[in-house]
Amino acid sequence: GEDVEQSLFLSVREGDSSVINCTYTDSSSTYLYWYKQEPGAGLQLLTYIFSNMDMKQDQRLTVLLNKKDKHLSLRIADTQTGDSAIYFCAESIGPTGTASKLTFGTGTRLQVTL
Amino acid sequence: NAGVTQTPKFQVLKTGQSMTLQCAQDMNHNSMYWYRQDPGMGLRLIYYSASEGTTDKGEVPNGYNVSRLNKREFSLRLESAAPSQTSVYFCASSETATGRYSYEQYFGPGTRLTVT
Repeated sequence: GEDVEQSLFLSVREGDSSVINCTYTDSSSTYLYWYKQEPGAGLQLLTYIFSNMDMKQDQRLTVLLNKKDKHLSLRIADTQTGDSAIYFCAESIGPTGTASKLTFGTGTRLQVTL
Repeated sequence: NAGVTQTPKFQVLKTGQSMTLQCAQDMNHNSMYWYRQDPGMGLRLIYYSASEGTTDKGEVPNGYNVSRLNKREFSLRLESAAPSQTSVYFCASSETATGRYSYEQYFGPGTRLTVT
């Protein structure tokens, strides 16, 4: 079955870079996603990467994908207090019928200190 | 556009009571989903509806039923609530998947349910 793992907590100082890591097990995943959840809110898509890519950059966000090791990371440059949230990685486990089923990791709580 | 809306935001039930969580989306999406979020366990899929008129079980369907009332609305029912169902429930919707392409899921704000 599919399993997505993340470390539970990360603390960084404002202005530093944050790196959040994720490992997944389904080698047939086609898309991998990073979602952000702020306190008391639902999840919001930050970025995603197609499985045939190694890297994707989007402003302060850099996603690295190592398919051999099934390892995904999210780097946030110049981390700000507004980046404090829970970050979830998720893998697409392929459509069943026409739904886009995702398997989510446990989430990493990012704490940004002054 | 409101996106995905959920009602209620908070609910406290006694063991054995029943209730229905409501979800609606205004993005004309075909697919809708119900998840529960528990500390340290991420989000787990309860049920999903690939399109209007169809529903399928996810990872943790026991104790729940769903209804896809129309294209906009997808409800989750707890027939006899148990303390193990204390959780935060999220509804989401997405475009129809094509081939192996999975589309972004849009999430509602969640319903915090406590069963005593």
